[in-house]
Amino acid sequence: KNEVEQSPQNLTAQEGEFITINCSYSVGISALHWLQQHPGGGIVSLFMLSSGKKKHGRLIATINIQEKHSSLHITASHPRDSAVYICAVSPNSGGSNYKLTFGKGTLLTVNP
Amino acid sequence: ETGVTQSPTHLIKTRGQQVTLRCSSQSGHNTVSWYQQALGQGPQFIFQYYREEENGRGNFPPRFSGLQFPNYSSELNVNALELDDSALYLCASSRGAAGANVLTFGAGSRLTVL
Repeated sequence: KNEVEQSPQNLTAQEGEFITINCSYSVGISALHWLQQHPGGGIVSLFMLSSGKKKHGRLIATINIQEKHSSLHITASHPRDSAVYICAVSPNSGGSNYKLTFGKGTLLTVNP
Repeated sequence: ETGVTQSPTHLIKTRGQQVTLRCSSQSGHNTVSWYQQALGQGPQFIFQYYREEENGRGNFPPRFSGLQFPNYSSELNVNALELDDSALYLCASSRGAAGANVLTFGAGSRLTVL
């Protein structure tokens, strides 16, 4: 079982829909990252959070440390949001905050 | 401020050869981390460099090695290439430990091993 599990693996939506991508992890963490990867490979950091909720434009990220779960929400989705969204966690054991463990990603396709 | 630049963008090698990939860090960042991403998979942490020393490593064999230079740029070297080394190699820079700080990624170097 992977330390970081994302769901769904694939998601297709119509423009304007509200999107939710989920991330569950099995270890104690010091931080969780949400990343966006477009075709061709480049990765952009969307959020880093360790508690509560963060918002940036149409994107919202939440985390529940007790339940070891995070969600990424996209409001009013647009075709340019089509990308792979990746969750990554930094374990809080043994001073290993240099290390990130990644989920496999969620492929989001938003149709016009 | 400049972002993270990786070179080369694509390269093809044969089994047994050696490869060097390069990465600049974003202005103001002192830490560089490297990741391997196989097709259809999430990235995997290779190692991190801070103050020109490796200070964290994932589950990769010693034939994966690196350097960091005084200007914080970095190299990833892979010796004795194997077919399974074919992947996208990503580097990221940060102000401090990779897990605990916001990362700026490069566009990656796609390595094909034949």
